[in-house]
Amino acid sequence: DAKTTQPPSMDCAEGRAANLPCNHSTISGNEYVYWYRQIHSQGPQYIIHGLKNNETNEMASLIITEDRKSSTLILPHATLRDTAVYYCIARSQGNLIFGKGTKLSVKP
Amino acid sequence: GAGVSQSPRYKVAKRGQDVALRCDPISGHVSLFWYQQALGQGPEFLTYFQNEAQLDKSGLPSDRFFAERPEGSVSTLKIQRTQQEDSAVYLCASSRRDFAGTGFLHEQYFGPGTRLTVT
Repeated sequence: DAKTTQPPSMDCAEGRAANLPCNHSTISGNEYVYWYRQIHSQGPQYIIHGLKNNETNEMASLIITEDRKSSTLILPHATLRDTAVYYCIARSQGNLIFGKGTKLSVKP
Repeated sequence: GAGVSQSPRYKVAKRGQDVALRCDPISGHVSLFWYQQALGQGPEFLTYFQNEAQLDKSGLPSDRFFAERPEGSVSTLKIQRTQQEDSAVYLCASSRRDFAGTGFLHEQYFGPGTRLTVT
C-alpha cells in the first residue's frame, strides 16, 4: 500500500471547519483513501473512504484531487469531541497500515 | 447494536508470564484483525482471520505470539513468556468479508483494546 504523509498536529477553533490534509503521491489505481480517527483511550473509528470522487457522509467530507495524489478530510463544524488523532490510509488489501496521523486539537 | 468487545481491558503481567487476550467481534463479521499499538504510535497489523482460517500472520513479531479463532467467531491472542517490549495496547477489529478482488474493502470496526503492561 502507498505511504501517506500527514502533518503531526493541527489546531481548530470550535464551530469552525477542520481541514486535514494528506499526501499520497505514490497511490496506485486500485487503492482507496480511508480515514480513521482515534479518540484518547479508544479504538480507531472509521470516518469515510473514497477512490476518485469526493465523498460525504454524516461525519465528514472527503475531497480527493483529480490526480489522486492528495486528499483533504473536512469536518464542517468541529466540536470538542472531535479532538483525536486522524489517520489517512491508502488501502488495497485487508489490513490497515497506519502512520502516526495528525493530532487535531479543537479549542473552545 | 453491540460492537467489538475485548477483555480484559487492562492486564499487568510479570515478565515471563503467559497472557491471553480475548476478542468478541460483531456478530456475523467474517474478517477479524489484531493490531498492536505502542505508546505514541499508530496501530500495527499483527494477524488476520477470515472465518476460522488465519490467512495472514506476517505481522506477528515472534513465535511467542499465537492467535486462534477456532469457530470463526471469538478470537484469542496469546503471548507466551511475555517481555517488556510486549507492553502495548492490543486492538481487535472485525469487518464483513473483504472483496479484495473487486477493490471494495469494508470498513473495520475496532474494539477498545487491551492495555498490556509487562513488569
